[in-house]
Amino acid sequence: QKEVEQNSGPLSVPEGAIASLNCTYSDRGSQSFFWYRQYSGKSPELIMFIYSNGDKEDGRFTAQLNKASQYVSLLIRDSQPSDSATYLCAVKPGGYNKLIFGAGTRLAVHP
Amino acid sequence: EAQVTQNPRYLITVTGKKLTVTCSQNMNHEYMSWYRQDPGLGLRQIYYSMNVEVTDKGDVPEGYKVSRKEKRNFPLILESPSPNQTSLYFCASSLFGQGDYTFGSGTRLTVV
Repeated sequence: QKEVEQNSGPLSVPEGAIASLNCTYSDRGSQSFFWYRQYSGKSPELIMFIYSNGDKEDGRFTAQLNKASQYVSLLIRDSQPSDSATYLCAVKPGGYNKLIFGAGTRLAVHP
Repeated sequence: EAQVTQNPRYLITVTGKKLTVTCSQNMNHEYMSWYRQDPGLGLRQIYYSMNVEVTDKGDVPEGYKVSRKEKRNFPLILESPSPNQTSLYFCASSLFGQGDYTFGSGTRLTVV
């Protein structure tokens, strides 16, 4: 069974700090990696994707991928209370037409 | 506005009474999928469709049916719902199924 693991949290950070969210996956053949944000009572929305080893930056968000360690992370700089949500890591296994989602990490940014 | 529309948003039903949850997208996406979301288990794929008349099972297909007669619509059918199908259901679409999904607003189903 292909798996994606995340710490459920909550991860609590003060406003303005860097939030670091982590994810590990089991399928070495995975090629594509995604971060979705889900506010309470809402549907998931895509915020970042990454295909290659290294870092990818988009505004305050940086996705990091290390395929050798089977590890994906999301950094949120200058965290704001509006960033408080559950962050879902998702992996597309090689050869499969689906995403495998982690159970999500709840982030709480306090003023 | 580009969107995925699910109906109904909330549904309470009784065991064994057939129901359909509708899903429609206006983005001309090839790929559509149904997920259920349960606490601690995350999102699990039920069925997906790569194109009209092309559907396949996901990880938890038992007790569900789907059809894709038109590109825009992908209904989820529960022929005989049971309490273990109580969950939050999401429809999602993507241009070619590469993982960049647009999700519908969700349907919270309770089977008593």
